[in-house]
Amino acid sequence: ETGVTQTPRHLVMGMTNKKSLKCEQHLGHNAMYWYKQSAKKPLELMFVYSLEERVENNSVPSRFSPECPNSSHLFLHLHTLQPEDSALYLCASSRQSGRLTDTQYFGPGTRLTVL
Amino acid sequence: AQKITQTQPGMFVQEKEAVTLDCTYDTSDQSYGLFWYKQPSSGEMIFLIYQGSYDEQNATEGRYSLNFQKARKSANLVISASQLGDSAMYFCAMREGSQGGSEKLVFGKGTKLTVNP
Repeated sequence: ETGVTQTPRHLVMGMTNKKSLKCEQHLGHNAMYWYKQSAKKPLELMFVYSLEERVENNSVPSRFSPECPNSSHLFLHLHTLQPEDSALYLCASSRQSGRLTDTQYFGPGTRLTVL
Repeated sequence: AQKITQTQPGMFVQEKEAVTLDCTYDTSDQSYGLFWYKQPSSGEMIFLIYQGSYDEQNATEGRYSLNFQKARKSANLVISASQLGDSAMYFCAMREGSQGGSEKLVFGKGTKLTVNP
C-alpha cells in the first residue's frame, strides 16, 4: 500500500532558488502535516491542515509556504532558503486532526540540501 | 523541559532475542496518547503501536508490546524475537489531550537499534 507519497525524494537547491515539495495521500484522510527532521534534533511539526484549512503554523519562517488544494495533496513551497534549512522533510496524514487516538501515517520524506 | 525522553542513543541486540527501548514522558494532562514509530534508513516513519492513557492493558501488536507504567510515566517498547530488519531508529511520541485535543505530536530524539546476526 503506497499510503503517503512524496516527491522529489532528494532535492539540492541554491539559496536563491524556488522549489516545491509535493505530498499525496491515498488513505482517504482529512488531515495532513509537514514535519522537519534535522540531524540530532527531534522531529518538529511545521504545519497542520484539516479539511484543507490550515489549523496550525508552528512559528515557521515565511520562506516556507504551505498549500493544500484538496484533502489528498499538500505542497511546501520553498524560496530563499538558508543552509540550516537542510533537513529531511516528512509529510504525514491522519483520519482527522485533534483526536487523541488519531494515528499519523508518514511518507518517505524529501531529503533537502541547501547550498 | 523535554516532553519525551529517550535515554538510549543506541542499542544492540542479538537476532532472535528480545529488546526493550526506553521512553519516559512528561505531562500534567490526564488524557494523552503515546505512539512508537520506526524509521529505517530509507527515511519513512512507520507507525508501530499506540497506548492511550486510560487503557488498562498494555498495547500489543505482533512482536511489539508496550510496557506502560503510568505512575512512573514510562512507555517502553518491547520487541520480541528481534530480526535483522528491525535495525532502525525508533521514536517515542506523545499527544496531549488538553483543550479538546491537540494537533501536536511531540517526538523524542530516538534510539538507534542494531540487530546483530
